[in-house]
Amino acid sequence: GAVVSQHPSWVICKSGTSVKIECRSLDFQATTMFWYRQFPKQSLMLMATSNEGSKATYEQGVEKDKFLINHASLTLSTLTVTSAHPEDSSFYICSEIAGGTDTQYFGPGTRLTVL
Amino acid sequence: SQKIEQNSEALNIQEGKTATLTCNYTNYSPAYLQWYRQDPGRGPVFLLLIRENEKEKRKERLKVTFDTTLKQSLFHITASQPADSATYLCALVHGSQGNLIFGKGTKLSVKP
Repeated sequence: GAVVSQHPSWVICKSGTSVKIECRSLDFQATTMFWYRQFPKQSLMLMATSNEGSKATYEQGVEKDKFLINHASLTLSTLTVTSAHPEDSSFYICSEIAGGTDTQYFGPGTRLTVL
Repeated sequence: SQKIEQNSEALNIQEGKTATLTCNYTNYSPAYLQWYRQDPGRGPVFLLLIRENEKEKRKERLKVTFDTTLKQSLFHITASQPADSATYLCALVHGSQGNLIFGKGTKLSVKP
């Protein structure tokens, strides 16, 4: 299956600062990547669909000015949490669909803690 | 509104037995459904995909069924092992780009 990496694996930041999370496709070019968020004991919730070279599509209720997504290349999508608050503390996971299949492969996730 | 339910939050079974997990959905007609395994603090790992025109799919000790009339998928692990202990997620495709909607998961514990 496809290999997806995320960096950092965990980050702690102060309230009001911005944090950037990287998602890389290591073995093929991904025109579409997805960003999910998972709170403790909850299911994964889709935040946005990231398309290479165009604006991301955000799910209802997700603030696009707060969660900035950039997909400038076929192997890298970034999620920037701007002016982070403690309620943004969560597990952020990206994924891609392997070329020619319907299977979605996930990165290892990034644990964000906002103090 | 669309809803996905995995009816057991937790399932405890004895090693060697078959674990059966259930995923039900409403107000929805997905073209395919996927099952994932998630370990604590890790991203989901893909296990199996089953399409609406497939009744059953197998992979080693895993078996998935898909009943579009009942709007239900069953996930079986035969000859379960303690290493199978994890949370198992059901996910349905939604949208033209392959967006997934996930159930809350069932935490499986296999006791030796």
